[in-house]
Amino acid sequence: SQKIEQNSEALNIQEGKTATLTCNYTNYSPAYLQWYRQDPGRGPVFLLLIRENEKEKRKERLKVTFDTTLKQSLFHITASQPADSATYLCALDANDYKLSFGAGTTVTVRA
Amino acid sequence: DVKVTQSSRYLVKRTGEKVFLECVQDMDHENMFWYRQDPGLGLRLIYFSYDVKMKEKGDIPEGYSVSREKKERFSLILESASTNQTSMYLCASSQTSGLTDTQYFGPGTRLTVL
Repeated sequence: SQKIEQNSEALNIQEGKTATLTCNYTNYSPAYLQWYRQDPGRGPVFLLLIRENEKEKRKERLKVTFDTTLKQSLFHITASQPADSATYLCALDANDYKLSFGAGTTVTVRA
Repeated sequence: DVKVTQSSRYLVKRTGEKVFLECVQDMDHENMFWYRQDPGLGLRLIYFSYDVKMKEKGDIPEGYSVSREKKERFSLILESASTNQTSMYLCASSQTSGLTDTQYFGPGTRLTVL
C-alpha cells in the first residue's frame, strides 16, 4: 500500500529563517502532490498542488518541489513568521477520489 | 468561498450510543468524504460518496456507516459508539473526481466516547 512519511520531528525555527519540510512516499507513482496547512482544532486548508511534470511551484513565500525519481517533495517556507506556525500535511493521489495524507509536520516559528 | 460545516465542534457520548455526525457543503460539490484524525496517524479515510445515495468504503469503515440523501449533506453514523472511536472527525468535499481536485475541509468534530 501507499506509504507517506513526513519529517518525524517537529520543526522549531527562528523568525525570518527558511523552514524545509520533507514528504517521502513509496509504492506508488502519483501524478500530483498537494500540501495543506492545519491549525490546532481546525480542518486542513489547501495550499499548493504540484504535478509530476512540474519540478517547482511557488506561492508567495511558499515553494514546493517534486522529485519523482527520489519519490520526494520538499516544502519551503521562506522568511518565516510566527503566523506560519501550524501543522503541514502532504497528500497524494492513491486512486480516483482518494487522497492519502501524511501524518504532518508541526512547525513552530519563534519571534 | 467553499464552506463546509459540521454539526458539532465537540461531542461527548457514552459507549453503546448511536452517534450522528452531520456535514453540509454549500458549493454543489459531487464528492464528500469522512476522515478521522489521530495523533501520529494522520487522516484516515472512513467513507466517501461521489453522488447522492452512493457510498464507498475507505480504509477504515468498520464500526461506521454513512448516508447521503441530498447532494449537500453527508452524515457519518456510529451505530454503537466505542471508546476506540474517540477521535477528531473531519468532513471534506471536492468538486469532481480527477487528479487535480483539492479537498475542502470542515472545522472538525472532536468526539469523546466515555
